[in-house]
Amino acid sequence: DTEVTQTPKHLVMGMTNKKSLKCEQHMGHRAMYWYKQKAKKPPELMFVYSYEKLSINESVPSRFSPECPNSSLLNLHLHALQPEDSALYLCASSQVAGSYEQYFGPGTRLTVT
Amino acid sequence: GENVEQHPSTLSVQEGDSAVIKCTYSDSASNYFPWYKQELGKRPQLIIDIRSNVGEKKDQRIAVTLNKTAKHFSLHITETQPEDSAVYFCAATPYTGANSKLTFGKGITLSVRP
Repeated sequence: DTEVTQTPKHLVMGMTNKKSLKCEQHMGHRAMYWYKQKAKKPPELMFVYSYEKLSINESVPSRFSPECPNSSLLNLHLHALQPEDSALYLCASSQVAGSYEQYFGPGTRLTVT
Repeated sequence: GENVEQHPSTLSVQEGDSAVIKCTYSDSASNYFPWYKQELGKRPQLIIDIRSNVGEKKDQRIAVTLNKTAKHFSLHITETQPEDSAVYFCAATPYTGANSKLTFGKGITLSVRP
Protein backbone atom coordinates (compact mmCIF):
# COMPACT_ATOMS: atom_id res chain seq x y z
CA ASP A 1 0.00 0.00 0.00
CA THR A 2 1.73 3.15 -1.22
CA GLU A 3 -0.86 5.61 0.01
CA VAL A 4 -0.55 8.82 1.93
CA THR A 5 -3.84 10.33 3.07
CA GLN A 6 -4.59 13.94 3.95
CA THR A 7 -7.52 15.71 5.55
CA PRO A 8 -9.33 17.92 4.86
CA LYS A 9 -9.38 18.04 1.06
CA HIS A 10 -10.41 21.67 1.06
CA LEU A 11 -10.16 24.35 3.74
CA VAL A 12 -11.29 27.95 3.76
CA MET A 13 -10.14 29.99 6.72
CA GLY A 14 -10.06 33.60 7.79
CA MET A 15 -6.88 35.36 8.79
CA THR A 16 -7.71 35.09 12.49
CA ASN A 17 -8.63 31.40 12.47
CA LYS A 18 -6.64 28.45 13.79
CA LYS A 19 -6.84 25.21 11.84
CA SER A 20 -4.84 22.04 11.36
CA LEU A 21 -3.98 19.88 8.38
CA LYS A 22 -3.51 16.17 8.94
CA CYS A 23 -1.47 13.56 7.10
CA GLU A 24 -1.22 9.82 7.66
CA GLN A 25 0.77 6.96 6.17
CA HIS A 26 0.91 3.27 7.07
CA MET A 27 3.88 2.24 4.96
CA GLY A 28 6.31 2.22 7.88
CA HIS A 29 8.08 5.25 6.44
CA ARG A 30 10.27 7.18 8.86
CA ALA A 31 10.55 10.44 6.90
CA MET A 32 7.59 12.76 6.36
CA TYR A 33 7.42 16.07 4.55
CA TRP A 34 5.24 19.15 4.14
CA TYR A 35 5.30 20.95 0.81
CA LYS A 36 3.47 24.03 -0.43
CA GLN A 37 2.50 24.21 -4.09
CA LYS A 38 1.22 27.21 -5.99
CA ALA A 39 -0.50 26.83 -9.35
CA LYS A 40 1.83 25.82 -12.20
CA LYS A 41 4.83 25.70 -9.84
CA PRO A 42 6.82 22.80 -8.41
CA PRO A 43 6.27 21.69 -4.80
CA GLU A 44 8.20 23.89 -2.38
CA LEU A 45 9.63 22.14 0.68
CA MET A 46 8.54 23.48 4.06
CA PHE A 47 9.49 20.88 6.70
CA VAL A 48 11.08 17.45 6.97
CA TYR A 49 10.65 15.05 9.87
CA SER A 50 13.10 12.19 10.18
CA TYR A 51 12.31 9.56 12.83
CA GLU A 52 9.73 11.93 14.32
CA LYS A 53 12.29 14.71 14.77
CA LEU A 54 12.24 17.94 12.79
CA SER A 55 15.32 17.84 10.57
CA ILE A 56 14.62 20.60 8.06
CA ASN A 57 12.72 23.87 8.44
CA GLU A 58 13.02 25.87 5.23
CA SER A 59 12.72 29.23 7.04
CA VAL A 60 8.96 28.90 7.13
CA PRO A 61 7.06 31.68 8.99
CA SER A 62 6.02 30.78 12.53
CA ARG A 63 2.34 30.97 11.57
CA PHE A 64 2.95 27.43 10.25
CA SER A 65 3.70 24.97 13.03
CA PRO A 66 4.43 21.30 12.23
CA GLU A 67 3.95 18.41 14.59
CA CYS A 68 4.78 14.72 14.30
CA PRO A 69 2.89 12.87 17.08
CA ASN A 70 4.11 9.44 15.95
CA SER A 71 5.72 7.70 13.00
CA SER A 72 2.45 7.53 11.04
CA LEU A 73 1.03 10.99 11.60
CA LEU A 74 2.04 14.49 10.60
CA ASN A 75 0.13 17.66 11.37
CA LEU A 76 0.48 21.23 10.21
CA HIS A 77 -1.05 23.80 12.54
CA LEU A 78 -2.09 27.07 10.95
CA HIS A 79 -2.62 30.38 12.70
CA ALA A 80 -2.99 33.98 11.53
CA LEU A 81 -2.38 33.11 7.89
CA GLN A 82 -2.22 35.63 5.08
CA PRO A 83 -4.06 35.49 1.73
CA GLU A 84 -0.75 34.71 0.00
CA ASP A 85 -0.61 31.47 1.98
CA SER A 86 -3.46 30.14 -0.15
CA ALA A 87 -2.06 27.10 -1.96
CA LEU A 88 -2.14 23.33 -2.20
CA TYR A 89 -0.43 21.79 0.83
CA LEU A 90 1.08 18.41 0.10
CA CYS A 91 2.29 15.83 2.55
CA ALA A 92 4.79 13.19 1.45
CA SER A 93 6.62 10.29 3.01
CA SER A 94 9.64 8.14 2.21
CA GLN A 95 11.31 5.10 3.74
CA VAL A 96 13.92 7.35 5.32
CA ALA A 97 15.13 10.85 4.44
CA GLY A 98 17.50 10.89 1.51
CA SER A 99 17.65 9.15 -1.83
CA TYR A 100 14.42 7.24 -1.47
CA GLU A 101 11.11 7.45 -3.26
CA GLN A 102 8.80 10.12 -1.90
CA TYR A 103 5.08 9.41 -2.13
CA PHE A 104 2.70 12.35 -2.05
CA GLY A 105 -0.73 12.62 -0.51
CA PRO A 106 -3.63 14.20 -2.45
CA GLY A 107 -3.12 17.55 -0.75
CA THR A 108 -5.28 20.08 1.07
CA ARG A 109 -6.47 23.02 -1.03
CA LEU A 110 -6.25 25.97 1.38
CA THR A 111 -7.90 29.32 0.77
CA VAL A 112 -7.24 32.17 3.19
CA THR A 113 -9.82 34.94 3.08
CA GLY B 1 22.89 23.94 -3.07
CA GLU B 2 21.47 21.96 -5.96
CA ASN B 3 19.89 23.74 -8.93
CA VAL B 4 17.74 21.83 -11.42
CA GLU B 5 16.87 23.35 -14.78
CA GLN B 6 14.09 21.98 -16.95
CA HIS B 7 13.51 23.01 -20.55
CA PRO B 8 11.32 23.73 -22.41
CA SER B 9 8.37 24.79 -20.26
CA THR B 10 5.81 23.36 -22.68
CA LEU B 11 5.87 20.52 -25.18
CA SER B 12 3.18 19.48 -27.62
CA VAL B 13 3.31 16.19 -29.51
CA GLN B 14 0.98 14.22 -31.75
CA GLU B 15 -0.54 11.08 -30.26
CA GLY B 16 1.71 8.13 -31.03
CA ASP B 17 4.87 10.22 -31.28
CA SER B 18 7.68 10.17 -28.73
CA ALA B 19 8.34 12.91 -26.19
CA VAL B 20 11.67 13.71 -24.57
CA ILE B 21 12.02 16.01 -21.57
CA LYS B 22 15.48 17.04 -20.42
CA CYS B 23 16.76 18.30 -17.08
CA THR B 24 20.17 19.51 -16.01
CA TYR B 25 21.52 19.63 -12.48
CA SER B 26 24.42 21.47 -10.86
CA ASP B 27 25.54 19.41 -7.85
CA SER B 28 27.83 16.57 -8.91
CA ALA B 29 27.07 14.90 -5.56
CA SER B 30 23.43 14.33 -6.56
CA ASN B 31 22.74 10.63 -6.80
CA TYR B 32 18.97 10.21 -7.04
CA PHE B 33 16.78 11.55 -9.84
CA PRO B 34 13.00 11.00 -9.74
CA TRP B 35 10.38 12.08 -12.24
CA TYR B 36 6.89 13.08 -11.14
CA LYS B 37 3.73 13.41 -13.23
CA GLN B 38 1.01 15.74 -12.00
CA GLU B 39 -2.36 15.82 -13.66
CA LEU B 40 -4.58 18.84 -13.14
CA GLY B 41 -5.92 18.93 -9.59
CA LYS B 42 -4.09 15.77 -8.54
CA ARG B 43 -1.05 14.83 -6.51
CA PRO B 44 2.44 14.50 -7.98
CA GLN B 45 2.89 10.85 -8.84
CA LEU B 46 6.31 9.19 -8.98
CA ILE B 47 6.53 7.56 -12.40
CA ILE B 48 10.17 6.54 -12.65
CA ASP B 49 13.48 7.25 -10.98
CA ILE B 50 17.15 6.55 -11.52
CA ARG B 51 20.19 6.41 -9.31
CA SER B 52 23.67 7.57 -10.21
CA ASN B 53 25.08 4.06 -10.55
CA VAL B 54 22.72 3.34 -13.47
CA GLY B 55 22.73 4.91 -16.93
CA GLU B 56 19.25 3.98 -18.09
CA LYS B 57 16.02 2.55 -16.70
CA LYS B 58 12.84 1.51 -18.52
CA ASP B 59 9.29 0.83 -17.45
CA GLN B 60 6.96 -0.02 -20.34
CA ARG B 61 6.55 3.18 -22.40
CA ILE B 62 8.72 5.39 -20.24
CA ALA B 63 12.48 5.45 -19.77
CA VAL B 64 14.97 7.67 -18.04
CA THR B 65 18.60 8.19 -19.02
CA LEU B 66 21.34 9.77 -16.95
CA ASN B 67 24.58 11.38 -18.15
CA LYS B 68 26.65 12.10 -15.05
CA THR B 69 29.48 13.70 -17.00
CA ALA B 70 27.20 16.26 -18.59
CA LYS B 71 24.98 16.41 -15.49
CA HIS B 72 21.73 15.90 -17.30
CA PHE B 73 18.95 13.34 -17.25
CA SER B 74 16.03 12.85 -19.59
CA LEU B 75 12.56 11.33 -19.56
CA HIS B 76 11.53 9.48 -22.71
CA ILE B 77 7.89 8.63 -23.39
CA THR B 78 7.15 6.48 -26.43
CA GLU B 79 3.81 5.98 -28.20
CA THR B 80 2.31 8.95 -26.39
CA GLN B 81 -1.37 8.88 -25.49
CA PRO B 82 -3.75 11.71 -24.51
CA GLU B 83 -3.64 10.51 -20.89
CA ASP B 84 0.08 11.35 -20.86
CA SER B 85 -0.93 15.03 -20.94
CA ALA B 86 0.19 16.48 -17.59
CA VAL B 87 2.90 18.52 -15.92
CA TYR B 88 6.15 16.60 -15.48
CA PHE B 89 8.64 17.56 -12.77
CA CYS B 90 12.19 16.29 -12.57
CA ALA B 91 14.11 16.41 -9.31
CA ALA B 92 17.54 15.66 -7.91
CA THR B 93 19.09 15.11 -4.51
CA PRO B 94 22.46 14.27 -3.03
CA TYR B 95 22.23 11.96 -0.07
CA THR B 96 23.03 13.89 3.11
CA GLY B 97 21.12 11.85 5.66
CA ALA B 98 18.27 13.47 7.54
CA ASN B 99 19.00 16.79 5.84
CA SER B 100 18.44 15.40 2.34
CA LYS B 101 15.86 17.17 0.23
CA LEU B 102 14.62 17.02 -3.32
CA THR B 103 15.26 20.00 -5.60
CA PHE B 104 12.59 20.18 -8.29
CA GLY B 105 12.76 21.62 -11.77
CA LYS B 106 10.09 24.16 -12.73
CA GLY B 107 8.04 21.59 -14.60
CA ILE B 108 7.06 21.04 -18.20
CA THR B 109 3.51 20.90 -19.48
CA LEU B 110 3.15 18.06 -21.97
CA SER B 111 0.17 18.15 -24.30
CA VAL B 112 -0.60 15.11 -26.46
CA ARG B 113 -2.81 16.03 -29.42
CA PRO B 114 -5.29 13.28 -30.41
